[in-house]
Amino acid sequence: QSDLTQPRSVSGSPGQSVTISCTGTTSDVGGYNYVSWYQQHPGTAPKLMIYDVGKRPSGVPDRFSGSKSGNTASLTISGLQAEDEADYYCCSYAGTYTFDNYAFGTGTKVTVL
Amino acid sequence: QVQLVQSGAEVKRPGASVKVSCKASGYSFTSYGVHWVRQAPGQSLEWMGWIHPGNGNAKYSQKLQGTFTITRDTSASTVYLELSSLRSEDTAVYYCARQSGGWPGWWGQGTLVTVSS
Repeated sequence: QSDLTQPRSVSGSPGQSVTISCTGTTSDVGGYNYVSWYQQHPGTAPKLMIYDVGKRPSGVPDRFSGSKSGNTASLTISGLQAEDEADYYCCSYAGTYTFDNYAFGTGTKVTVL
Repeated sequence: QVQLVQSGAEVKRPGASVKVSCKASGYSFTSYGVHWVRQAPGQSLEWMGWIHPGNGNAKYSQKLQGTFTITRDTSASTVYLELSSLRSEDTAVYYCARQSGGWPGWWGQGTLVTVSS
């Protein structure tokens, strides 16, 4: 029961750029500048790649960038590399006055051709 | 370095309970929140809740609250997730993750909980 919509898959050749969209509502993506992106390789735990829409944790290559417009956030991978092939999930804070909540996206498989 | 080591896989009957542990090291345990996120087979991620180990205050997903409890033991630098009245739909990998910049940032290796009769 994911709350944010992502394309099922995107693909690109090495060196190209790909962009993954993440569409929510005014209650999550559109309501806060709190969007993050996670990379998950098969059989491993997710890894935080982008937080607060466009910030990169230490150690994440600057090929990864994030942005947001209205209710849609985007992750762009520039200069695609073989090791970027993985599943990617967006995440938005979606809390209310009473409850904390973090909504995850449906997930996008990135294939490097 | 920051490490979160979770307990091993569990197989439970429907209606049973299970307690998953997450032992933290490499940082000040009481200074960072710890989240729990689950992932059913082949599915996306689902946020369950988080706890601040410093004061023990836990917050739960409105959708899931009432079906699990998050606690901590500061003497053992360990956070726990206890699931009760297990159903087949609870079959998933359960991850703990330390906060980083307010987000689940440093993740444990995951614990597979299988609910089957």
